[in-house]
Amino acid sequence: DQQVKQNSPSLSVQEGRISILNCDYTNSMFDYFLWYKKYPAEGPTFLISISSIKDKNEDGRFTVFLNKSAKHLSLHIVPSQPGDSAVYFCAASYGNTPLVFGKGTRLSVIA
Amino acid sequence: KAGVTQTPRYLIKTRGQQVTLSCSPISGHRSVSWYQQTPGQGLQFLFEYFSETQRNKGNFPGRFSGRQFSNSRSEMNVSTLELGDSALYLCASSLGPHTSGSSDTQYFGPGTRLTVL
Repeated sequence: DQQVKQNSPSLSVQEGRISILNCDYTNSMFDYFLWYKKYPAEGPTFLISISSIKDKNEDGRFTVFLNKSAKHLSLHIVPSQPGDSAVYFCAASYGNTPLVFGKGTRLSVIA
Repeated sequence: KAGVTQTPRYLIKTRGQQVTLSCSPISGHRSVSWYQQTPGQGLQFLFEYFSETQRNKGNFPGRFSGRQFSNSRSEMNVSTLELGDSALYLCASSLGPHTSGSSDTQYFGPGTRLTVL
């Protein structure tokens, strides 16, 4: 039973345009959500997070939106740059339970 | 400040063998978590250690075990290897134990790529 789902395995976007990566979750207990970025041959690096008490968090070109009623969150990257090409993982947790990750979405930003 | 280091980076084993992977956390970090990443799967949580104590364990068979030493370094062991154990094993460290909502971020190492033939 996959509690965190990233239904798009891959996404291609033109440089300068907006990238939107989506994530759905099923466990209503989750109260904290994170996005990680992973380049080949490297470990994932933390990108941005959001608490369930908020519906938006922004950090430079990255914005995460949370829709609790739909159990959906999305990561917006504006403008997209070639260096953003990576695999993006969505993760969720609550209390002291470990992070639950989605399967990832491979983003390709085309110059 | 050095990041999380994992050794070895690559490993090839045969079915039935056992393997030990090592993780050295960032200096001062006392929490270490292990994850398995297989093709087409996300990161699946294996275990978390804090101050030499296992705090959480994922849904993996008993062939997977781990420990943490007094210097916070951690090892994980997989006995009686199976083909399906081929994966990237990632270690992450943080200052304290994982708590939802905490700004204490997990920092990942580059992983150990294990291939079981």
